[in-house]
Amino acid sequence: GENVEQHPSTLSVQEGDSAVIKCTYSDSASNYFPWYKQELGKRPQLIIDIRSNVGEKKDQRIAVTLNKTAKHFSLHITETQPEDSAVYFCAALGGGGRGSTLGRLYFGRGTQLTVWP
Amino acid sequence: NAGVMQNPRHLVRRRGQEARLRCSPMKGHSHVYWYRQLPEEGLKFMVYLQKENIIDESGMPKERFSAEFPKEGPSILRIQQVVRGDSAAYFCASSPQGGYTEAFFGQGTRLTVV
Repeated sequence: GENVEQHPSTLSVQEGDSAVIKCTYSDSASNYFPWYKQELGKRPQLIIDIRSNVGEKKDQRIAVTLNKTAKHFSLHITETQPEDSAVYFCAALGGGGRGSTLGRLYFGRGTQLTVWP
Repeated sequence: NAGVMQNPRHLVRRRGQEARLRCSPMKGHSHVYWYRQLPEEGLKFMVYLQKENIIDESGMPKERFSAEFPKEGPSILRIQQVVRGDSAAYFCASSPQGGYTEAFFGQGTRLTVV
């Protein structure tokens, strides 16, 4: 079935530095890729998403890139702040190919980002 | 739009009892997903439902667990004869009809089995 791999599992950066989290997926029919941020004890919140018809999307300090050929997508956070510290999850929407379920979200295992002041 | 509503927020059950978790999706959303999250771990998919249909239940244990999303009312995740290992946060997410766009999560139900 669809397999979403996420790296790294933990990431520590100094305030002001950039952070990059990478994900790969296996279902070439996937066409929607959201990213979620989860603070301790809270629900995952959608922070940015990208569809397969674009290669990059930016929202202030957050950007996501997508390489459909290589089947990988990345989250970039610039000018990191301590409040960016959280667990980040990538996901891919099953496209019904390669054993995936159409319409189901497949999540990576998460990246614990820590931003040191 | 009130967002995805889950209740209760916290649920304590003794071993052997039944736990019933409810999820009301956002207005206009007909796709519901349930996930389980253990402390310090990621989101584990359990079941994906559309109104009156189970689309994918491959992540749900075959025994003691069941889910439904009736035509009227919230989606229900039912755990029978709970054991300590069922203690976790259970999150529900919903997405609009068609399922090809944003999915939003509820606040979760934290189940503790004592």
